[in-house]
Amino acid sequence: EAQVTQNPRYLITVTGKKLTVTCSQNMNHEYMSWYRQDPGLGLRQIYYSMNVEVTDKGDVPEGYKVSRKEKRNFPLILESPSPNQTSLYFCASSLKGGNTEAFFGQGTRLTVV
Amino acid sequence: GESVGLHLPTLSVQEGDNSIINCAYSNSASDYFIWYKQESGKGPQFIIDIRSNMDKRQGQRVTVLLNKTVKHLSLQIAATQPGDSAVYFCAENRPKGNTGFQKLVFGTGTRLLVSP
Repeated sequence: EAQVTQNPRYLITVTGKKLTVTCSQNMNHEYMSWYRQDPGLGLRQIYYSMNVEVTDKGDVPEGYKVSRKEKRNFPLILESPSPNQTSLYFCASSLKGGNTEAFFGQGTRLTVV
Repeated sequence: GESVGLHLPTLSVQEGDNSIINCAYSNSASDYFIWYKQESGKGPQFIIDIRSNMDKRQGQRVTVLLNKTVKHLSLQIAATQPGDSAVYFCAENRPKGNTGFQKLVFGTGTRLLVSP
């Protein structure tokens, strides 16, 4: 089954403790991206990747890092999480960027206390 | 800055009615638009898309209309059912300067409530 898999689904952590949210897709898509979703603000792009080893900042990249060492994986790293990063995070992949359908993961709800 | 927006944050309809969800976009260079449906606790799911060289596209019970003159997009759902209750997002594919990169920019969403 074609899918985007994120882990974990739920995470509560403390300020400053590094964490990684994993994302994996099995569709051989070139383009992957991370979004955060906050009430009243919709989905905002954090980082995206056009292909292996090619990443770029989205609209809200501060406090986040990503890597794309393999085509299927695109982890999101929070080196020093802060409470304002409490949010619902979605990973998405698409065949070739914004002009093709994006498939979303189930989301990761992160709480930073 | 430029953004994709929606006119109605909440739309309540009766089962069987037709629903229309509207969206305004501001970047005339955007060339591809998508509607997504997000049910509670799930990620957004693709409904229908349209490219800028078209003004109408139909799917199963859904139709997307694109008016490039006024930068307006709408989603029409025929014979709305309780299972259609969700938040609907429009998204535009926006070129990023001269980099060749593109990105999807999402609106803030409209909640559709369907009463039996």
